[in-house]
Amino acid sequence: ILNVEQSPQSLHVQEGDSTNFTCSFPSSNFYALHWYRWETAKSPEALFVMTLNGDEKKKGRISATLNTKEGYSYLYIKGSQPEDSATYLCALYYGGSQGNLIFGKGTKLSVKP
Amino acid sequence: SAVISQKPSRDICQRGTSLTIQCQVDSQVTMMFWYRQQPGQSLTLIATANQGSEATYESGFVIDKFPISRPNLTFSTLTVSNMSPEDSSIYLCSVNGRNQETQYFGPGTRLLVL
Repeated sequence: ILNVEQSPQSLHVQEGDSTNFTCSFPSSNFYALHWYRWETAKSPEALFVMTLNGDEKKKGRISATLNTKEGYSYLYIKGSQPEDSATYLCALYYGGSQGNLIFGKGTKLSVKP
Repeated sequence: SAVISQKPSRDICQRGTSLTIQCQVDSQVTMMFWYRQQPGQSLTLIATANQGSEATYESGFVIDKFPISRPNLTFSTLTVSNMSPEDSSIYLCSVNGRNQETQYFGPGTRLLVL
């Protein structure tokens, strides 16, 4: 079973701070790496799908990078806002017809105004 | 994208009882997936529900405990049978995106078993 590790487990920042967290994996034998944002009582929302070593994706103040050679992905949030408070999930996708995602435990971000 | 709804959104149940969770998608999909997240743990795939055939269960999950129905291409149910406190979790259904590069999730069912 492939373990997807996310760190830190939780993070508390002040509004305006920039922050980043990590998703690490022992093997690069996957089709894609996904980042999801999960707010309480809402559906997990897909942020990025990354497939190639060196991939960099950006959506507004949030960006992500992928390094398959060293086995990690970073998610960055620039100028955190209270609405960024959520749990950020990393998942590996092995493709094929089953669509099984292997998730990390997530990083819970709290942004204080 | 797909819009997914789940019922109930939350429930508190007594041990030994069963709860059926419904998942409705706004478009026809071949496969629907059921996940659960136990407290402090990762989202974990329980089974894949295919229309017209039996569900495919992941290691550690069995049909007697988590029977699944898939009567048509937009609907599925997951039953949590003979519940114990260890079944307290968030249960989510999901579907693949058009190019299977992402998944769309329902808002989850928060279950507490006393």
